Amino acid sequence: GEDVEQSLFLSVREGDSSVINCTYTDSSSTYLYWYKQEPGAGLQLLTYIFSNMDMKQDQRLTVLLNKKDKHLSLRIADTQTGDSAIYFCAESDTGGFKTIFGAGTRLFVKA
Amino acid sequence: EAGVAQSPRYKIIEKRQSVAFWCNPISGHATLYWYQQILGQGPKLLIQFQNNGVVDDSQLPKDRFSAERLKGVDSTLKIQPAKLEDSAVYLCASSLEPIISYEQYFGPGTRLTVT
Repeated sequence: GEDVEQSLFLSVREGDSSVINCTYTDSSSTYLYWYKQEPGAGLQLLTYIFSNMDMKQDQRLTVLLNKKDKHLSLRIADTQTGDSAIYFCAESDTGGFKTIFGAGTRLFVKA
Repeated sequence: EAGVAQSPRYKIIEKRQSVAFWCNPISGHATLYWYQQILGQGPKLLIQFQNNGVVDDSQLPKDRFSAERLKGVDSTLKIQPAKLEDSAVYLCASSLEPIISYEQYFGPGTRLTVT
């Protein structure tokens, strides 16, 4: 079945760039997402990319998609302590159905 | 704009008891989702509604879980009877019609502990 995999932890220093990686298995995935979850809160959509795109930039966030390798990454420039959270990669098919989430990457930002 | 509301926020029950969760989506959102998030894992989709109808319930354990969405607005998720492995956070999310937007807005979740 479909699967989304992420590394579990990432630790960076404040001001550095963070890169969170994700691999997925479903080649029919049409939309790929990055969500952020802070303690005790629900998930918040950060950004998403269509499968026909290679890159998307939104302020401090850069998403790169390698469709051949089924690899998605999220780069956070100038990481701040407020960026400490769990980041989930997710995929869905055309129409936004059957959204599948990875287990999440916990980002620690050291001051 | 009010977000997705869920209640209760916390619930502790014994195994074999019943429990119900309530969700009020963002006004005007046609699609409503229920997810189960076990500690240390990502959310798993249990059921997806489009207005009143069920779009996908393939991962809903139908022998014990049920969900309904009356009048295409509020929704309830019920577990009867609960098992220890049902301990998780139950997240509700809503979104506009898929043709308009794929962004899902999540509520704060209900943390269920089954003892």
